Amino acid sequence: QKEVEQDPGPLSVPEGAIVSLNCTYSNSAFQYFMWYRQYSRKGPELLMYTYSSGNKEDGRFTAQVDKSSKYISLFIRDSQPSDSATYLCAMSFTGANSKLTFGKGITLSVRP
Amino acid sequence: EAGVTQSPTHLIKTRGQQATLRCSPISGHTSVYWYQQALGLGLQFLLWYDEGEERNRGNFPPRFSGRQFPNYSSELNVNALELEDSALYLCASSSIRTSHYEQYFGPGTRLTVT
Repeated sequence: QKEVEQDPGPLSVPEGAIVSLNCTYSNSAFQYFMWYRQYSRKGPELLMYTYSSGNKEDGRFTAQVDKSSKYISLFIRDSQPSDSATYLCAMSFTGANSKLTFGKGITLSVRP
Repeated sequence: EAGVTQSPTHLIKTRGQQATLRCSPISGHTSVYWYQQALGLGLQFLLWYDEGEERNRGNFPPRFSGRQFPNYSSELNVNALELEDSALYLCASSSIRTSHYEQYFGPGTRLTVT
């Protein structure tokens, strides 16, 4: 079992739809949970991060962490064509020298 | 503020050769991370340098090595190139204030091994 699993997609939705992106993980010691967005031919950019459990909202984006289920989600409200990109979840432990472990990413296409 | 820069953008090498990739972090960032993004495999952690020292290493053979210079820029060297080394190599940086989970990525170097 991989440490971080992410739905492979791709995912195509109409403009204005609510998008739900999910990752599951196996190591309960993960404490930091991140979502990165990667446009074609660009490096990933950090969208949001959450420490431990709970929800975090930033504009149209909401990140949710359920540590009891080892499940994290990213919700995008009122999706726009500019949201079309690959979304990667990432997680890490606390403590010095912790590295990020990424999911494989899911490609989202928002149709005008 | 300038972002993370990487050079070259593209690199074409043949099997058995050596490749050198370079990365300049955001000003004020002391940590540099290297990742390999191969088709279908996602981002795989390669190396982490901070203050000139290697802090962590991913599950890659020793022919993947690197260093960090006093100005915090970094170099990734891949020796004895193999076809499966073809991938996008991404560099990221972070500062001690924002911590390791808040990483800022460069655009990557596309390495093609023929």
